[in-house]
Amino acid sequence: GAVVSQHPSRVICKSGTSVKIECRSLDFQATTMFWYRQFPKKSLMLMATSNEGSKATYEQGVEKDKFLINHASLTLSTLTVTSAHPEDSSFYICSAFPSGRGETQYFGPGTRLLVL
Amino acid sequence: GQQLNQSPQSMFIQEGEDVSMNCTSSSIFNTWLWYKQDPGEGPVLLIALYKAGELTSNGRLTAQFGITRKDSFLNISASIPSDVGIYFCAGRSNTGNQFYFGTGTSLTVIP
Repeated sequence: GAVVSQHPSRVICKSGTSVKIECRSLDFQATTMFWYRQFPKKSLMLMATSNEGSKATYEQGVEKDKFLINHASLTLSTLTVTSAHPEDSSFYICSAFPSGRGETQYFGPGTRLLVL
Repeated sequence: GQQLNQSPQSMFIQEGEDVSMNCTSSSIFNTWLWYKQDPGEGPVLLIALYKAGELTSNGRLTAQFGITRKDSFLNISASIPSDVGIYFCAGRSNTGNQFYFGTGTSLTVIP
């Protein structure tokens, strides 16, 4: 159990376009999901906490208008990178925190974004 | 956000050797997790620790939750080539659900 999927696994887009990344918990419900960003050979940096039915909580320095998060159901959170620029190219990883079960988060496989 | 200090940054060891890495924080945490990440993939949970002083094993892996609640270590015994990867610690404080990650330890096992 505790499988998290992400879609797409990789995406290439032109500068100025918006890209939506989906994070789904497949076999459990998740009131809380997290979005991370990872640069090559670097650690995971928490971007925001996605809360089902309410606004996301963003970490300091993360632009909420740039990285739109929607957590419309207990199994789906989306991250939209708006007006993407080359510096937004990165590996984006989500994780899901099972509702009412344990205290461990489970990660998706990640989405590689390349902005040209 | 916070980032935890993890050491060493990288390790090159012979197959069969034991490995030890640790993670420290300036803040108190109530949960410590250890993950392994292969290139281009998401992290995979190895061990979860929930109590200060707790020592937990998962096969050849052993991790401990430091009694000060500001550190944790991970040991890998009798390393094998498939242990190669980047190991991350992650900690969660008692003030929220967020987990913050260590800087990572890159492990290379030489056959």
